[in-house]
Amino acid sequence: DQQVKQNSPSLSVQEGRISILNCDYTNSMFDYFLWYKKYPAEGPTFLISISSIKDKNEDGRFTVFLNKSAKHLSLHIVPSQPGDSAVYFCAARYNFNKFYFGSGTKLNVKP
Amino acid sequence: GAVVSQHPSRVICKSGTSVKIECRSLDFQATTMFWYRQFPKQSLMLMATSNEGSKATYEQGVEKDKFLINHASLTLSTLTVTSAHPEDSSFYICSARGLAGGYEQYFGPGTRLTVT
Repeated sequence: DQQVKQNSPSLSVQEGRISILNCDYTNSMFDYFLWYKKYPAEGPTFLISISSIKDKNEDGRFTVFLNKSAKHLSLHIVPSQPGDSAVYFCAARYNFNKFYFGSGTKLNVKP
Repeated sequence: GAVVSQHPSRVICKSGTSVKIECRSLDFQATTMFWYRQFPKQSLMLMATSNEGSKATYEQGVEKDKFLINHASLTLSTLTVTSAHPEDSSFYICSARGLAGGYEQYFGPGTRLTVT
């Protein structure tokens, strides 16, 4: 029972363009949504988050959008840089201690 | 800040043996630590949540007698895979949350377990 889904296993974008990574969820009780970035052989690192009471959060080149009615969130990276190439996981928090992760999207930013 | 280490990074063991994986928060105290398992091209699956000084809370379907978790101090949690079998081969990742709580977790680099 996958409550958080990332339907695109991979995404390729040209340097300087926008990267849009998508995530869908099923549980309306999630109160926080997070994006993590993961390089090979390393643990995920926190990137950006959004509370369920907001619809947008921006941090530099990274913006997360939340559409609660559609149970959908997205991460926008603009402009994309080669160093952004990594696997991106979205995650959702339920009941303070439970975190559900998507399966990840591998982003490749081409120079 | 907020560095979490795991040891070992890779381990190969024979079927039937036990393996211990350590997770340490290096520069902060972690009241809560989480253990995840990741299969290839799949999401991180939460195995259990441990709070310092108390018993771990296991997710449904995770055998607590097989995956022993000890959170003896505010900086150390251990996961012991007992009587390992080849199907236990996986990537195990721990994360820690600081005393302030909140939604952020800081992840360790993971441990690749291979059971032969």
